[in-house]
Amino acid sequence: AQSVTQLGSHVSVSEGALVLLRCNYSSSVPPYLFWYVQYPNQGLQLLLKYTTGATLVKGINGFEAEFKKSETSFHLTKPSAHMSDAAEYFCAVSDREDSSYKLIFGSGTRLLVRP
Amino acid sequence: NAGVTQTPKFRVLKTGQSMTLLCAQDMNHEYMYWYRQDPGMGLRLIHYSVGEGTTAKGEVPDGYNVSRLKKQNFLLGLESAAPSQTSVYFCASSLLLVGYTFGSGTRLTVV
Repeated sequence: AQSVTQLGSHVSVSEGALVLLRCNYSSSVPPYLFWYVQYPNQGLQLLLKYTTGATLVKGINGFEAEFKKSETSFHLTKPSAHMSDAAEYFCAVSDREDSSYKLIFGSGTRLLVRP
Repeated sequence: NAGVTQTPKFRVLKTGQSMTLLCAQDMNHEYMYWYRQDPGMGLRLIHYSVGEGTTAKGEVPDGYNVSRLKKQNFLLGLESAAPSQTSVYFCASSLLLVGYTFGSGTRLTVV
């Protein structure tokens, strides 16, 4: 069964610093990969996704992620953190052979941005 | 505005009571899902539907039932609520791999 691991339940960075949120998946066949963001008391919003093609994916709000098959990873980065980036971030995977397109979510990483 | 609407937004139940959560989408999506979110556990799939009249179990289905009588609606039922079902419930709909559209959630407390 698919699983996804997010290292670090909390990550704290200074405003203007690099943001790096880690995500690793477990399957031998690379799944479809997603990053979602959740602001307080809201639903989840899609940041970016990887399905096929270029392994460096750009998303909204200046975020990007790189699919690395050899490392089974899909880490999320942003060159310069902004106060408005403070939120919880979820990595999610979907099995390429599953026609229901179910998403399996990681446990989430809360990003704190210090002034 | 197009999207996913969940009702109610908040609810407090007593142990043993029943209730139904409604999810409505106006995007003509085939796929709909119910998740629960608990601190430190991310989102876990309860039930899902791949089309009108179909439902299937997810990761944590016990204690819940669902129905999808109309394409735009996906109902989640709790027949006999338990404190362990205190959670935030999210509905989502999907058009293949475009990505999920989430509702704003229902915060349920069972006392």
